Amino acid sequence: KQEVTQIPAALSVPEGENLVLNCSFTDSAIYNLQWFRQDPGKGLTSLLLIQSSQREQTSGRLNASLDKSSGRSTLYIAASQPGDSATYLCAVSGAGSYQLTFGKGTKLSVIP
Amino acid sequence: SQTIHQWPATLVQPVGSPLSLECTVEGTSNPNLYWYRQAAGRGLQLLFYSVGIGQISSEVPQNLSASRPQDRQFILSSKKLLLSDSGFYLCAWSAGYGYTFGSGTRLTVV
Repeated sequence: KQEVTQIPAALSVPEGENLVLNCSFTDSAIYNLQWFRQDPGKGLTSLLLIQSSQREQTSGRLNASLDKSSGRSTLYIAASQPGDSATYLCAVSGAGSYQLTFGKGTKLSVIP
Repeated sequence: SQTIHQWPATLVQPVGSPLSLECTVEGTSNPNLYWYRQAAGRGLQLLFYSVGIGQISSEVPQNLSASRPQDRQFILSSKKLLLSDSGFYLCAWSAGYGYTFGSGTRLTVV
């Protein structure tokens, strides 16, 4: 059974810092990995999708990497802003499975 | 472009009452549809998924059921709500390239 772990559970940084959020998964037979953002009381917003054959994806100040063999992904946020404050969720879909397995998220607070 | 609509946004229901949450998708055909629940302090749990009209798979036994009467419509129901059904319910769709989630329904059973 796939398990996804996100470290740290919570992170507080001053505005302008670069930061890294970590995600690990136990079964490397994944179809793709997706990073989401969730604001309090809201739905999930997709940030980046990395297919299993890819190593990284970039969107603006965000960069996500994938090392499938070691079961790890990182989300790098450059020059953090208070508007980046949210919970960030990592999720993987398995090859041949319809289920998207989520980590419990990292709650990020960017202090002005 | 594809959009997903989910309603209502919030719902307060007494124990034992019925439930119906609706989700519709626009701009795509034959999507896979999903219902997830997010309980306080816990991760997202897949409840149901559907790969086509009338095809429903349940991931966990529970007090809820799902139906897909049309290609782009997915409904979550209960005949009698329990306190433990409280949570944040999210509908999602996929077509083989990532998942898109709706805005969610906050259900409080009192």
